[in-house]
Amino acid sequence: TAGITQAPTSQILAAGRSMTLRCTQDMRHNAMYWYRQDLGLGLRLIHYSNTAGTTGKGEVPDGYSVSRANTDDFPLTLASAVPSQTSVYFCASSGTATDTQYFGPGTRLTVL
Amino acid sequence: GQNIDQPTEMTATEGAIVQINCTYQTSGFNGLFWYQQHAGEAPTFLSYNVLDGLEEKGRFSSFLSRSKGYSYLLLKELQMKDSASYLCATVDSNYQLIWGAGTKLIIKP
Repeated sequence: TAGITQAPTSQILAAGRSMTLRCTQDMRHNAMYWYRQDLGLGLRLIHYSNTAGTTGKGEVPDGYSVSRANTDDFPLTLASAVPSQTSVYFCASSGTATDTQYFGPGTRLTVL
Repeated sequence: GQNIDQPTEMTATEGAIVQINCTYQTSGFNGLFWYQQHAGEAPTFLSYNVLDGLEEKGRFSSFLSRSKGYSYLLLKELQMKDSASYLCATVDSNYQLIWGAGTKLIIKP
């Protein structure tokens, strides 16, 4: 099985533009997460979804939105990108909210 | 507040043993994870502790003391491929993971 995939692998984006980072899992996991990882900082949770149809805000949700229309997909949208959103973005999933999280390969985003 | 502390960087020799410490202060506690992350790659699961004591899994062991807010990851018989960052994360009262900044482990021949 593919597990969890993310697209694109990397992207350079002009400030003010919008972008959607895609995340798909084929493990039928209920819970999915979006993190950003910046040098010298731990992974920080942006948004999460404990089950299809529900979403919640994490530690750093401002400037980001998510949707969870089905079990497999959990896209992250930046409505109007700013340079401080330059980061590596990881999507993760777990069977339930209390289970081990498994990570996708990440998307490296640069906002200029 | 919530806080996870790990050393920023450690160096060890191939074939040796290294212990990576993690101390935490979190609102509620529902367990502690250790993940490994090679440069440019995704974190991968190593261990989960929810009760006090040592959990051994091959060359890797993880220890937890809830009363001291302390955990360590012990790596034995170090190999060059163990060069990576090791991330400590606690599970808080809302079952969200709170992550440390990670410890970069450098293995020298």
